[in-house]
Amino acid sequence: GESVGLHLPTLSVQEGDNSIINCAYSNSASDYFIWYKQESGKGPQFIIDIRSNMDKRQGQRVTVLLNKTVKHLSLQIAATQPGDSAVYFCAEFHGGYQKVTFGTGTKLQVIP
Amino acid sequence: GAVVSQHPSRVICKSGTSVKIECRSLDFQATTMFWYRQFPKQSLMLMATSNEGSKATYEQGVEKDKFLINHASLTLSTLTVTSAHPEDSSFYICSARRRDRGPTDTQYFGPGTRLTVL
Repeated sequence: GESVGLHLPTLSVQEGDNSIINCAYSNSASDYFIWYKQESGKGPQFIIDIRSNMDKRQGQRVTVLLNKTVKHLSLQIAATQPGDSAVYFCAEFHGGYQKVTFGTGTKLQVIP
Repeated sequence: GAVVSQHPSRVICKSGTSVKIECRSLDFQATTMFWYRQFPKQSLMLMATSNEGSKATYEQGVEKDKFLINHASLTLSTLTVTSAHPEDSSFYICSARRRDRGPTDTQYFGPGTRLTVL
């Protein structure tokens, strides 16, 4: 079946550097793509989403890029902080099914 | 902001017993609630979708008689793991879809329930 997946299971970055987390997806019919942050022992926290007809969206310190040609999604975190350490999931939302499908996840480790 | 709570946060039970997990939307009405299961270092896997007042829709491979879902009101859904076995040990997370908003950031997640079956 179609799925959402990630290239890198673990990413280590120096505090203050920018982080880029990547995601490959295969379902072209998704209406939205979403990034979630999950800290250890907690539920996912919404970070940012992007509509499928957009290619870029910016939030506070975060930017999501969508490349539909190669079915690639990325999350950029500017000036990474220790509090950004968590597992990040990309997910897709399909309006027809009204549900969110999660990708594999990338663990971000921020080195002080 | 919208808050979703789960109770209990952690439960340990003996094999063969049943465990009930509650999911509540505290300050909004939820048209739909979702139940996920997450094994260590893995992603969230959707188990079922429940709408208030109707039967839950289960994902392929999820036993509906094993995982009983009741969505009695617009603010409460319960998941009962019947005759739990060690392989049911997992992190169970619910989410609630807010009634009056758009499609994506309106799904609010609970803090999860850690189930350990001995």
